[in-house]
Amino acid sequence: DAGVIQSPRHEVTEMGQEVTLRCKPISGHNSLFWYRQTMMRGLELLIYFNNNVPIDDSGMPEDRFSAKMPNASFSTLKIQPSEPRDSAVYFCASIPEIEERYNEQFFGPGTRLTVL
Amino acid sequence: DQQVKQNSPSLSVQEGRISILNCDYTNSMFDYFLWYKKYPAEGPTFLISISSIKDKNEDGRFTVFLNKSAKHLSLHIVPSQPGDSAVYFCAASSGTYKYIFGTGTRLKVLA
Repeated sequence: DAGVIQSPRHEVTEMGQEVTLRCKPISGHNSLFWYRQTMMRGLELLIYFNNNVPIDDSGMPEDRFSAKMPNASFSTLKIQPSEPRDSAVYFCASIPEIEERYNEQFFGPGTRLTVL
Repeated sequence: DQQVKQNSPSLSVQEGRISILNCDYTNSMFDYFLWYKKYPAEGPTFLISISSIKDKNEDGRFTVFLNKSAKHLSLHIVPSQPGDSAVYFCAASSGTYKYIFGTGTRLKVLA
């Protein structure tokens, strides 16, 4: 199994530009999470999906952030317009079944975003 | 407000000695706790977990201790090895899939 796949691995953009981060969860996993890692706040949950439906987006910092999951094998996190304070590492994670809370979350390698 | 706190951003330990990583939490509703390990340029990977009905869980060189009255958990690594050098995150949940992570502790094991 290839694990959770994220692209790009690194993104450098200028303030005001649109940024799209992509994630492919592990095949057969029906729940997907987007996290942001910063030095000050650690790993913060932004949004999670169950069976392609957004369930909890309370962690999304503001309207500039949006996420979609058009099918079971693909999700995007979009920032428009981007700001320097969005610079962080963004992780995607998936689990087989969200009702089983003791399931380990499998993380992708992350996308390091730098907004100049 | 951080509900899960890892107050030591870094820790250095000699190879073969014990590494102790600490984590404090504020929410008494948390009932499941996990430790994840993260190497550079990789995503976090699950290491060990503990339910609030226990006070200790052991897996090889790794042991997690939970002190509910103090709202404190710790991860012990014995003996520490250079390959254990990584960032360690503790996480907690309260009856859901939603994990609250700490800010991480960078462990360096010196050969």
